[in-house]
Amino acid sequence: DVKVTQSSRYLVKRTGEKVFLECVQDMDHENMFWYRQDPGLGLRLIYFSYDVKMKEKGDIPEGYSVSREKKERFSLILESASTNQTSMYLCASSLHGPHTDTQYFGPGTRLTVL
Amino acid sequence: AQTVTQSQPEMSVQEAETVTLSCTYDTSESDYYLFWYKQPPSRQMILVIRQEAYKQQNATENRFSVNFQKAAKSFSLKISDSQLGDAAMYFCAYPPQGGSEKLVFGKGTKLTVNP
Repeated sequence: DVKVTQSSRYLVKRTGEKVFLECVQDMDHENMFWYRQDPGLGLRLIYFSYDVKMKEKGDIPEGYSVSREKKERFSLILESASTNQTSMYLCASSLHGPHTDTQYFGPGTRLTVL
Repeated sequence: AQTVTQSQPEMSVQEAETVTLSCTYDTSESDYYLFWYKQPPSRQMILVIRQEAYKQQNATENRFSVNFQKAAKSFSLKISDSQLGDAAMYFCAYPPQGGSEKLVFGKGTKLTVNP
């Protein structure tokens, strides 16, 4: 089975802190994604990557950056956390593009910014 | 903007009954896939079912089936013989343009299954 893990289930940070969210997949998938999930808004794509060192902006990239130095690891970075970034963050991966292929999701990181 | 709409924020069903969750979308593409994902409480999101738009036949996975109406751009999920484990948030998703490396998700429907 594909396994997607995220470094933390719960995280509490202060405004202005730099925050790293880590995601690792163990199935050699090409594509990895970071979503943000908020009640009543569904999932919104922040960034995605289709190869090592490649990244593409999603629908809401402002305030975020990403890093993919190794195929299995995709990191989401909040350079200076703000309270409006309090949310659930989901990582996902897929072998092929998500427009045809199954995405496998991690358990999520619930981030609170105080 | 290309969108996907789930008009039912919450639904409930009695155990063993059938429930249908609705989803409509907007695309100008002729060939694409549509997806339903399920997110159980405090558990990881998983794929429920996938429909290829060029296929006439509705997809079926055990108790889960879709009613796909391409002309109406409608993609509903039917759950038969509902079980307590079906309680979850359900999201429909589609790629906003052909070949796009991303999906657009609906806002979700929270399904409650009553014993």
